[in-house]
Formats: sequence, C-alpha cells, structure tokens
Amino acid sequence: GAGVSQTPSNKVTEKGKYVELRCDPISGHTALYWYRQSLGQGPEFLIYFQGTGAADDSGLPNDRFFAVRPEGSVSTLKIQRTERGDSAVYLCASSSGLAGGLTQYFGPGTRLTVL
Amino acid sequence: AQSVAQPEDQVNVAEGNPLTVKCTYSVSGNPYLFWYVQYPNRGLQFLLKYITGDNLVKGSYGFEAEFNKSQTSFHLKKPSALVSDSALYFCAVREGYGNKLVFGAGTILRVKS
Repeated sequence: GAGVSQTPSNKVTEKGKYVELRCDPISGHTALYWYRQSLGQGPEFLIYFQGTGAADDSGLPNDRFFAVRPEGSVSTLKIQRTERGDSAVYLCASSSGLAGGLTQYFGPGTRLTVL
Repeated sequence: AQSVAQPEDQVNVAEGNPLTVKCTYSVSGNPYLFWYVQYPNRGLQFLLKYITGDNLVKGSYGFEAEFNKSQTSFHLKKPSALVSDSALYFCAVREGYGNKLVFGAGTILRVKS
C-alpha cells in the first residue's frame, strides 16, 4: 500500500483480556517501530524490528507486552492481561535503508481502551 | 540519554503572520532532528528533518526549521501562517546510529483568521 496501515483503528476490551494490534508497513521497508502515545503526551518508543528480529525492545513496559514480525513485513503487538493503564494510541512506523533508515513514516494508530 | 523539550504547550498566531514553534534537545552524540505534525484522530505526518549540512532545512507545506548547535535548538518556522496549519506539532531527536525517536510533549498551534 501507499502508507503504513494499522488494524483495528479502535479496540475496546475489558481488563484482563488479551489483545492483538496489527501493523502493515510500507512495502519494502525493512525497519518497523512501535510507539505508544498517551493522552496529552508525545509518542514513546516500545520496540524496533530490523527484518524479522527485534533489534531493540527496551521500551516494552513489562512482560505483558510482546511483538512479532515473523516474515519481516507485517507485525503484531500483543498485550496480555490488559490493564486500564494500557489505554493509549498505539502507533506503528516503518523506514527503509541500512541501519533502519532515517525518516520514520507513521500509520494512523490503534486506539486501545481498556475498561 | 536523549531528551527533547518543547517549552510552549500552545502557540497562537494570526493568519498571515510568521510562526515559530520552539524545540531544544539533548544528546551525547550527533543529533538527527525531526518535526512531525498530528491532526485530530490521525497519525503523525513527517514535515522535515536535519541530518547534516545546511542549518536551515526546508520541508513540506512551506515549513522550515533552523538547527542551532550552540543553543541545541531546532525551532520550526513558517513565514506566513494558514488557518489549516492549526494542529499538534512534535519535535523528535534520534541520536547517531540509534534507531528510536525521542519525542517532545508537543505544541498545539492555533492559527486564527
């Protein structure tokens, strides 16, 4: 596609449930990033993939959060035992070139609400 | 650790007047600096970046930014504001070969006709 796409656009779940958020990067982009944006704040880094491997997962808040990119394209962010504090907009970005490229292009985000 | 400060929560400007949105940064190595814009219920749109070279960088929609190493600043500017420029603006820094972006808290720009 022309840009980064994310599904679903909105997800409402109950505390304790499991959710999956999907990101489809720009075709050919080898680097993929996940960020989380809470209300009134700038995006915060979660994890970065180069190809299929997680090159930097230092931003994942705890072991309830996990992300995969099995074929080096689509990525899924998985959150177990969701908590109300997980409510935020989850943004995905991709970039091209060596060392992840320099410009990250963002998708529209998935708004997660945990009741 | 990298950090970005956007000292103004909101900037108000009249249509047709010049605008400036401020950003200062802190990194230990060479900075790669970015500006993004966010419209309501939409993702971040890339505006411009400074990597190396000319301190004045030109970007999309008539925006430009000036890199000042001594003041560790990267202010966003536009000579003549439009009402349609009203949005949330984020400054971000990437340190050298590191890949994550560190964002400021954002500045709301309101342009009034």
